[in-house]
Amino acid sequence: DAGVIQSPRHEVTEMGQEVTLRCKPISGHNSLFWYRQTMMRGLELLIYFNNNVPIDDSGMPEDRFSAKMPNASFSTLKIQPSEPRDSAVYFCASNRVKETQYFGPGTRLLVL
Amino acid sequence: SQKIEQNSEALNIQEGKTATLTCNYTNYSPAYLQWYRQDPGRGPVFLLLIRENEKEKRKERLKVTFDTTLKQSLFHITASQPADSATYLCALALGNTPLVFGKGTRLSVIA
Repeated sequence: DAGVIQSPRHEVTEMGQEVTLRCKPISGHNSLFWYRQTMMRGLELLIYFNNNVPIDDSGMPEDRFSAKMPNASFSTLKIQPSEPRDSAVYFCASNRVKETQYFGPGTRLLVL
Repeated sequence: SQKIEQNSEALNIQEGKTATLTCNYTNYSPAYLQWYRQDPGRGPVFLLLIRENEKEKRKERLKVTFDTTLKQSLFHITASQPADSATYLCALALGNTPLVFGKGTRLSVIA
């Protein structure tokens, strides 16, 4: 099993640009989570999906952030327009509902 | 407000000693608690799960305790090794909601 796959692994962009992060969960997992990790705030849940349906997006910082899960094997997190304070590591995780979460390697985002 | 605290940002110990990490929480009644390990540049990796009706769980050199009265979990690594150096995160499971993570404790085991 390849585990959770995220791309890109690193992204450097300029303020105001659109950023799209991608995630492929583990096959057979029906829940998918997007997290953001910073030194100051730790690991914060942004949004999660059950069976491709967004359940709770209360962690999404503002309207500049959006997430989609068009099918069971793919999800995107989009930031438009990006700002320097969005710089962080973004993790995707998946599991079968209420079981251990499996994290991807993360996308390190730097917005200049 | 709900809060999870891992009481040390960083912990340094000597190789061979037992490392003890603490996770305290307030205003939660978790169904279970998990501990994860995170190495630099990688995502967290699951280590152990302990349920609210369990007092202690062991896995090789790892031991976790869960005291729902004190609202505290302790994570122990016995006979610590430099390879145990990492950040350790506790996470609480509250009913049907996703895990809530602490900020982590960075453990350094010095040879």
